[in-house]
Amino acid sequence: AQTVTQSQPEMSVQEAETVTLSCTYDTSESNYYLFWYKQPPSRQMILVIRQEAYKQQNATENRFSVNFQKAAKSFSLKISDSQLGDTAMYFCAFYDYKLSFGAGTTVTVRA
Amino acid sequence: DAGVIQSPRHEVTEMGQEVTLRCKPISGHDYLFWYRQTMMRGLELLIYFNNNVPIDDSGMPEDRFSAKMPNASFSTLKIQPSEPRDSAVYFCASSVTGEGNQPQHFGDGTRLSIL
Repeated sequence: AQTVTQSQPEMSVQEAETVTLSCTYDTSESNYYLFWYKQPPSRQMILVIRQEAYKQQNATENRFSVNFQKAAKSFSLKISDSQLGDTAMYFCAFYDYKLSFGAGTTVTVRA
Repeated sequence: DAGVIQSPRHEVTEMGQEVTLRCKPISGHDYLFWYRQTMMRGLELLIYFNNNVPIDDSGMPEDRFSAKMPNASFSTLKIQPSEPRDSAVYFCASSVTGEGNQPQHFGDGTRLSIL
């Protein structure tokens, strides 16, 4: 089974500031996909960003970007210009034939 | 377009009762997944279907749990008899294919409380 580790249970950031969430994973596969999902208090699971392991270029979606380090098996998420609506739990997920989720990081954006 | 639709949104029932959770995937999605989310175990895959056929049910905790997909637009997850430790949020998700480049779209989940 694949393991996904998110070492930061909670993070707090001031509105408009930047926060970076860490994620490491363990796999022997060469091609796979990585995702960040957001779960706000409403409980929905919302896809934030995805990365294919074969692509060198780091994925970016508006204020969200990743730092994908394949050799280090690291996949961090950076949230720039944090907004109050970014307050949520963020899950890193690894996909080979199924999704395996990390334990999540709770992000609180302070006004 | 409508997303993945789950019902009920909340369910409270007494131990020993049968519980049925329902899911309507996004039209055209061939894959359907059932997940369970708890504080202790996080998000875990229970079972998934491809074209209505169960492919991997290794995550189903025990025989009290069963899942069916009688057609492309409907799936159920049943617990019989229910126990307090089954209390969790249950998510259904669907995707176009089973490939990682097609993300899974999640429903809003069913919060299940077994008293």
